[in-house]
Amino acid sequence: DAGVIQSPRHEVTEMGQEVTLRCKPISGHNSLFWYRQTMMRGLELLIYFNNNVPIDDSGMPEDRFSAKMPNASFSTLKIQPSEPRDSAVYFCASSLDGGARNIQYFGAGTRLSVL
Amino acid sequence: AQSVTQLGSHVSVSEGALVLLRCNYSSSVPPYLFWYVQYPNQGLQLLLKYTTGATLVKGINGFEAEFKKSETSFHLTKPSAHMSDAAEYFCAVSASTDSWGKFQFGAGTQVVVTP
Repeated sequence: DAGVIQSPRHEVTEMGQEVTLRCKPISGHNSLFWYRQTMMRGLELLIYFNNNVPIDDSGMPEDRFSAKMPNASFSTLKIQPSEPRDSAVYFCASSLDGGARNIQYFGAGTRLSVL
Repeated sequence: AQSVTQLGSHVSVSEGALVLLRCNYSSSVPPYLFWYVQYPNQGLQLLLKYTTGATLVKGINGFEAEFKKSETSFHLTKPSAHMSDAAEYFCAVSASTDSWGKFQFGAGTQVVVTP
């Protein structure tokens, strides 16, 4: 049974370039979360979708970040333009219905380096 | 609002010795509590969770945790460490009254197992 699938696993780009991270949640899960992990700030929730609708994007750091979920099996996180301080590991997670007691299943992450 | 404090960013334990990772939480409502493990270059995996019922929770790989409301703690233990337990461990809390599961993660504890 496939878990959460993220691509690419590694991304190296230059400052100012557009970056798109992709996520395929577990089939049947209707909630999706994007996180960012850095040494300084730990794990931060960026945005949460339920039934493809963004519910809480209060963690999105600034307008350069945007996320979409066009259907139940695909989501993207876009950074435009990218900056060196965006370098981090970005995780996507999905859960059955997003409830507070439900397990979040994480993908392997995308390690982003902005030079 | 919920918050989590993990005592000790790094823990070194000898193979075969007790593993004890400390987690204290703050929550204005009954919490749901989780422990996740992250192996190098991988996403987070659930070890165990507490929602309601029995306060001693058993998880995978021989780990267990006890919810102590009076101490606002959810410490993780394993009687005998194995080399494969070397990883980073995260405690997380969500609010049982929330309609969706916004997890607040601790800063993580890196576990090193020595022969």
